[in-house]
Amino acid sequence: EVMMTQSPATLSVSPGERATLSCRASQSVSSSLAWYQQKPGQAPRLLIYGASTRATAIPARFSGSGSGTEFTLTITSLQSEDSAVYYCQHYYNWPLTFGGGTKVEIK
Amino acid sequence: EVQLLESGGDFVQPGGSLTLSCAASGFTFSSRAMSWVRQAPGKGLDWVGSILGDGVSAAYADSVKGRFTISRDNSKFTLYLQLNSLTVEDTAVYYCATRGSGWYGDDWGQGTLVTVSS
Repeated sequence: EVMMTQSPATLSVSPGERATLSCRASQSVSSSLAWYQQKPGQAPRLLIYGASTRATAIPARFSGSGSGTEFTLTITSLQSEDSAVYYCQHYYNWPLTFGGGTKVEIK
Repeated sequence: EVQLLESGGDFVQPGGSLTLSCAASGFTFSSRAMSWVRQAPGKGLDWVGSILGDGVSAAYADSVKGRFTISRDNSKFTLYLQLNSLTVEDTAVYYCATRGSGWYGDDWGQGTLVTVSS
């Protein structure tokens, strides 16, 4: 089973600043990596798939990078509505696994 | 517009059973593989299992294998999750999701809550 580790657990960023979230896989997952945003009381929302492809209607301030075992989600010019928990998930093989999440707070 | 609507969540005692449904619309249901993902209160996301569009093959997390069964009725545009031998650790919001170009969740339902308690 591929273990996904996200860091930091919580990130506090000022509006307009950049947020950088990390996700590490315990073994290579190639580019089979997705990122989700989840706000309280809501379902997850797909942001990025294939490690770097934005999903439909996702703003350009969200970008993903990385391959193999190290991945990054970057939110440039953070806005108040970006306050949420962000999860990474690999889909390289079974079982599919998620990281523990990074909570992004607005200062 | 893709719409997924889960139902069937309830309060059930340990050892009990439940069937969840996910009604789909806005896309060619039989062509899309689907997944169930759950989230325990205050916790992260946990993959339960996935099924191909034709319903022939499914994969499950070890934690639910042998207890949960995923099926679908393409004539009714509905995905199912049969939950048996429930334990308190199965308490969670259960989401259904469509598969994208890979086994990630493209569109998600709003979830249905299953509470297992004596």
